[in-house]
Amino acid sequence: EPEVTQTPSHQVTQMGQEVILRCVPISNHLYFYWYRQILGQKVEFLVSFYNNEISEKSEIFDDQFSVERPDGSNFTLKIRSTKLEDSAMYFCASRDVTGAAFKDRYFGPGTRLLVL
Amino acid sequence: QKEVEQDPGPLSVPEGAIVSLNCTYSNSAFQYFMWYRQYSRKGPELLMYTYSSGNKEDGRFTAQVDKSSKYISLFIRDSQPSDSATYLCAMGGRNNDMRFGAGTRLTVKP
Repeated sequence: EPEVTQTPSHQVTQMGQEVILRCVPISNHLYFYWYRQILGQKVEFLVSFYNNEISEKSEIFDDQFSVERPDGSNFTLKIRSTKLEDSAMYFCASRDVTGAAFKDRYFGPGTRLLVL
Repeated sequence: QKEVEQDPGPLSVPEGAIVSLNCTYSNSAFQYFMWYRQYSRKGPELLMYTYSSGNKEDGRFTAQVDKSSKYISLFIRDSQPSDSATYLCAMGGRNNDMRFGAGTRLTVKP
């Protein structure tokens, strides 16, 4: 069964450093999403991406965040200057253009980011 | 009032028990209601999906939505140890922004 994959599974970085989290969505999917989950808290929407541009973003997704689809398979989340409060699990999700907006969203296993 | 409220538990039940999980919400624009199951260190996995009010059954799982009360429920019959996980309610409206509850951690003891 096709699945969303994410790399790395764990990332430890120093405050102020840039990190890039990578996702490989399911191959025929065209909508992509990033979510984060701070330890012990709820899953929060960050951004959605379609047709090579951001379609929606939350108030969390400020200027230190950016997303990119650098090639036909990867979808990345860049955090320019990490802060301690960026420590969280980051989930990528994708869905097919013909899929229902919420029902057919498939999540990856997540990248656990720790900022020291 | 938080947009989506869910008791984080933890909830511990014996094997075979009926489990009831609930969420309340405040945004009347929500039309789509989901329940996700999340195992430790894994991504959320869609369990149940309901559009608007009503009941939906899938095997041992039943989802209920009461839009007039802004209240949704997930029932698990004949619970199994393999059901032990965190259960997240989630809701969506006209945009792509999906709101999650805090998740309820469930343990089913053999």
